[in-house]
This record gives sequence, C-alpha cells and structure tokens, in this order.
Amino acid sequence: AQKVTQAQTEISVVEKEDVTLDCVYETRDTTYYLFWYKQPPSGELVFLIRRNSFDEQNEISGRYSWNFQKSTSSFNFTITASQVVDSAVYFCALSEAGNTDKLIFGTGTRLQVFP
Amino acid sequence: EAQVTQNPRYLITVTGKKLTVTCSQNMNHEYMSWYRQDPGLGLRQIYYSMNVEVTDKGDVPEGYKVSRKEKRNFPLILESPSPNQTSLYFCASSTGQSSSYNEQFFGPGTRLTVL
Repeated sequence: AQKVTQAQTEISVVEKEDVTLDCVYETRDTTYYLFWYKQPPSGELVFLIRRNSFDEQNEISGRYSWNFQKSTSSFNFTITASQVVDSAVYFCALSEAGNTDKLIFGTGTRLQVFP
Repeated sequence: EAQVTQNPRYLITVTGKKLTVTCSQNMNHEYMSWYRQDPGLGLRQIYYSMNVEVTDKGDVPEGYKVSRKEKRNFPLILESPSPNQTSLYFCASSTGQSSSYNEQFFGPGTRLTVL
C-alpha cells in the first residue's frame, strides 16, 4: 500500500539555522512521483518541487534543496539559512504511475522560524 | 489565467443544514477531486471525477456527495453536516490523461466550521 510518513510534527529553529524536513514513502510501483508543498499561514498550497522515480539527482533551488534516495525511500527537504518567511506547514506527497492524478499526502511538518 | 476557484472561502454553519461548496476550473481538465485537510492527518481525498457524469469515492467519502454535470464544475455537497466535517477543503484539477505525470492545480481552500 502507498504511504507517506513525515515523522516530524513540528520543528522550531532560529533564523539562519539550516533545517531538514524528513519524508519517507512506501509504494509498490516502480514509477512514481514525489512532491513537496508549502502551506503558509494564509492556507493555500504552494507547489515546491516534483521528482520522478527515475531521477535521483539532488536538486537545489536557492536556499532549498532536496535529497532523493530510493535506497531508503526518502525524499528529504533542506532549507539553508532559514528565514521567518519559511514558517509554514510543509507536505510531502506521492503519486503513482497508475493514478498520477491522485496525491497521497504525508501528515505535514509545521516549521516555525523565530527571529 | 489558469485557475481553480472555490466558494465560499470561509463558512460557519450548524449541524444538519445542507451546504454546497462550489469548485470551478478554467483549464478544460477532465480530472477533478476534493481533499480535506485535518491536523495530524494531512490531506485525504474525498471524491474524484474522471469526466462528466463519472465520479467515484476517494479515501474518506462518508457524509459527502458530489456531482459532475459540466466539465468545469465539481461541487461538494454536505447534505447533513456534522461537527466532524469541520475541516479545510481543497478542490484540485488535472488533465486526467493517462500519459506520465499530470500536474495538479489546487484551489485556494474552503475553511468550513460546523457547530
């Protein structure tokens, strides 16, 4: 069965600290997609990244970076030099090749960045 | 501008009073779905529709109805709301084509409180 686990319910850091949000997934499909979404206090879902199962290259976008490791079924998200504006709930999600229209979400990690 | 709209954005109602949350997309997408977001549970799919007049249950369909009479609209109906349906609801749409990945477009969310 497919599942996404975000074991960290809440993380608090002080500005400029680096922080890593963990995501572990389960799927039987060999082709699947992994996502990260940000939900700021305003409530909307902001798409951050998509990765397909055949692309294990790490990705960096500004202060954000993602580490995809199929060997450990993990897709972790690191924010470097965190800022107050990074405070949000972050969701990791999975979709499978047989049903790419459906997203399976983790329970989310609330990140609080204090000045 | 490609978008998914939801109305209302906020709603407070009482137990048993029928309500409808509307969802509309302007991208000619075939696939539409509803998710609910609850603390500690992430987002879970309620219902989905693969095309006009084709709807099916997601993971948490109890207490909800949907209809898809037109391609652009996918209303969520709560015939007799109960307090356990207090949640943040998201509508989403995607092309629904069976080739590779289909990008999800999310609406802004509807925060529902049932007293």
